[in-house]
Amino acid sequence: DAGITQSPRHKVTETGTPVTLRCHQTENHRYMYWYRQDPGHGLRLIHYSYGVKDTDKGEVSDGYSVSRSKTEDFLLTLESATSSQTSVYFCAIGGGPYNEQFFGPGTRLTVL
Amino acid sequence: AQTVTQSQPEMSVQEAETVTLSCTYDTSESDYYLFWYKQPPSRQMILVIRQEAYKQQNATENRFSVNFQKAAKSFSLKISDSQLGDAAMYFCAYRTRAGAGNQFYFGTGTSLTVIP
Repeated sequence: DAGITQSPRHKVTETGTPVTLRCHQTENHRYMYWYRQDPGHGLRLIHYSYGVKDTDKGEVSDGYSVSRSKTEDFLLTLESATSSQTSVYFCAIGGGPYNEQFFGPGTRLTVL
Repeated sequence: AQTVTQSQPEMSVQEAETVTLSCTYDTSESDYYLFWYKQPPSRQMILVIRQEAYKQQNATENRFSVNFQKAAKSFSLKISDSQLGDAAMYFCAYRTRAGAGNQFYFGTGTSLTVIP
């Protein structure tokens, strides 16, 4: 299994508070991704990174920002959490002969 | 953007039987990758099988095989000899070969129940 960890694994927060989710990889992959998973929507890309300090927006980037200061870490920040951001968040890294993505264990975020 | 459609939100199969999950996609590209991922109750996303569009031969991984119909833009997953551990949500995914960022597009998933 690819070495990908996410922290925290569960978080409950209140509307309006800032939240940062961390993804850490030990595989030295160039590409890293943040997705959110919601019923009826599958996985939707929030942001991705193609190198240190190189990031780009995905399909559902509004209300989210990311940072990547080291190859191994990719942070997802909700500057002011809203109830619509209650979701399960997955980090993924790209690699392999088909460039398939490997996923972290997910973070369940609840915004009250 | 490419779209991936899984028209079966839920499926069920008897243990030891065979089940086929459907996936269609929309693209104007000629070269790309297709994947099936499994998500059991543990929530971990697990790669099940992958296919390159330029390969005619359908991919097979043990009890899992695909029926790739490029002209029809169809990529179904067949699970043979279904086991209780196959119960999960299954996601079909598309990845462009030439695009920036290795961006994946996922379907909405099919929930598979295995009946003992």
